Amino acid sequence: SQQGEEDPQALSIQEGENATMNCSYKTSINNLQWYRQNSGRGLVHLILIRSNEREKHSGRLRVTLDTSKKSSSLLITASRAADTASYFCATPTGSSNTGKLIFGQGTTLQVKP
Amino acid sequence: DAGVIQSPRHEVTEMGQEVTLRCKPISGHDYLFWYRQTMMRGLELLIYFNNNVPIDDSGMPEDRFSAKMPNASFSTLKIQPSEPRDSAVYFCASSLGTGSQHFGDGTRLSIL
Repeated sequence: SQQGEEDPQALSIQEGENATMNCSYKTSINNLQWYRQNSGRGLVHLILIRSNEREKHSGRLRVTLDTSKKSSSLLITASRAADTASYFCATPTGSSNTGKLIFGQGTTLQVKP
Repeated sequence: DAGVIQSPRHEVTEMGQEVTLRCKPISGHDYLFWYRQTMMRGLELLIYFNNNVPIDDSGMPEDRFSAKMPNASFSTLKIQPSEPRDSAVYFCASSLGTGSQHFGDGTRLSIL
């Protein structure tokens, strides 16, 4: 079963708008990661947020984590056409650090110029 | 910096043939992961290694699949015999410790 599930499955916005994607997970975690995948390419790590952090920023990315609700969100501000990609959240299996990640099904983001 | 290198990028072969996918992880990384991605099932972890030792192969679908890591700079995923349902994109990823993973650009496998 999926540990992380993204919502929405697909999102289409205009350039300059903000994009918000959500991720829910099931078990206790010590961190949550977000990845981006451009068409025909491998996944690229964007940001990691630890369980004791509530919010983290990286450039135009803002990630929040609510461990009480077992959810996270990724906000991309002032989107660009180049942000068009699929975005995945990933969580370690359980609270122990085995190195193994479970990926959600992803949100496909289209940014129209 | 060289990233994770996978070969071949594309493979088309007939059912029943042996397929070997190759991966060179980032130098110094101690974890290596093999994933399969399909539209239906998303990204699935097949097997992963730590310091060249297989840790968890519970995601390997059948005995037709096998993976090896003979040294820290090379791994293979083999399918023998291949079947049409094995068609997918196969990714290799590596990491230093249990943090973020670095992915190759994958091998797009088509079994006719």
